Amino acid sequence: DAGVTQSPTHLIKTRGQQVTLRCSPKSGHDTVSWYQQALGQGPQFIFQYYEEEERQRGNFPDRFSGHQFPNYSSELNVNALLLGDSALYLCASRRTGIAYNSPLHFGNGTRLTVT
Amino acid sequence: GQQLNQSPQSMFIQEGEDVSMNCTSSSIFNTWLWYKQDPGEGPVLLIALYKAGELTSNGRLTAQFGITRKDSFLNISASIPSDVGIYFCAGQLTIPGANSKLTFGKGITLSVRP
Repeated sequence: DAGVTQSPTHLIKTRGQQVTLRCSPKSGHDTVSWYQQALGQGPQFIFQYYEEEERQRGNFPDRFSGHQFPNYSSELNVNALLLGDSALYLCASRRTGIAYNSPLHFGNGTRLTVT
Repeated sequence: GQQLNQSPQSMFIQEGEDVSMNCTSSSIFNTWLWYKQDPGEGPVLLIALYKAGELTSNGRLTAQFGITRKDSFLNISASIPSDVGIYFCAGQLTIPGANSKLTFGKGITLSVRP
């Protein structure tokens, strides 16, 4: 049973560029969330997708956008990259419906470096 | 963004010792979770707590959901070298039918001396 998988594992981009990160949720999960983890910090919530719609959003600018596909996989897009966007981007999934507070399962993340 | 309070930032213990770490918040949560993160990996769920006052164990780990719903603690007994890692607490405020975000602490880095 595959867990949450993310690609790529590492990425280096230049300021001003755009980046797309990808996530496949754990089998049986239908809700995907994205978190940003800066070095030495805990993960910060970016947004959550369910039924292909953004359901909740954290305190991140519009440069951060996402998408969820019919197979529940998801993408995170960041436009006009800034140096401060360098971080580990974590995808997490859960299954909605069995319990409204069923825990999140995290992938191993994509390490984004902006130069 | 908001983060929960975890301190100290680092803890150093001897193998075999017990260690406790706590987490506090200015806001209430109805779910508390403890995660462990190893280098190069994502956080892995250790224990989930769903009810104020609840005490839950998972092997050598024991965690409690504070009565005020603003704090939680995690205890690791008889530590072993593989307990090394970063321990995060996370709070969640969820209402039925709505999926809510997790709010994390900054984490505590645990080192275990053989």
